Amino acid sequence: RKEVEQDPGPFNVPEGATVAFNCTYSNSASQSFFWYRQDCRKEPKLLMSVYSSGNEDGRFTAQLNRASQYISLLIRDSKLSDSATYLCVVKVTGANNLFFGTGTRLTVIP
Amino acid sequence: DTEVTQTPKHLVMGMTNKKSLKCEQHMGHRAMYWYKQKAKKPPELMFVYSYEKLSINESVPSRFSPECPNSSLLNLHLHALQPEDSALYLCASSQATRNEKLFFGSGTQLSVL
Repeated sequence: RKEVEQDPGPFNVPEGATVAFNCTYSNSASQSFFWYRQDCRKEPKLLMSVYSSGNEDGRFTAQLNRASQYISLLIRDSKLSDSATYLCVVKVTGANNLFFGTGTRLTVIP
Repeated sequence: DTEVTQTPKHLVMGMTNKKSLKCEQHMGHRAMYWYKQKAKKPPELMFVYSYEKLSINESVPSRFSPECPNSSLLNLHLHALQPEDSALYLCASSQATRNEKLFFGSGTQLSVL
């Protein structure tokens, strides 16, 4: 079983829509969670960390559900510039590396 | 703009060539990483350096040889690569290996002919 699993999409949504992605992780010792954004042929960039209490940054809201072992990313009022691949990333306690999900591809349509 | 600089941005090489990828960061980070990414796949970890010492080698073939000359620099030496090694090679850094926030360079798009 993969450490981190995501729906690869693609998600095609109109401008202004609200879209949500989920990501599940298999290791209960996972301690830290992140969403990275990657544009085509570019490097991944940290979008936001995910905290147990949930956190919000403008139109983006991230939440963590430890009981069900998933994290989510909600994007409100989608913009064309939100089109990208969103990578779910997890760090497991004691591990020196991060586990990446396969990414969810989002396309926002005019 | 990324604070991790990678050169070259693009590289085409034959299977008998020797080339090197370079990475530099001036954020005082003590952990540096090499990742390989194929199209529509997530990055795959290759090597981790912590305080200039190799701490993780994810069973990478010996035709890839990492080098960390100092805390700011990370190289990846390439020799006798195969066409299936064509990919985007990403360098990243973090404050320490315990620190999870990675800063990626813009990558080197490598094509092996």
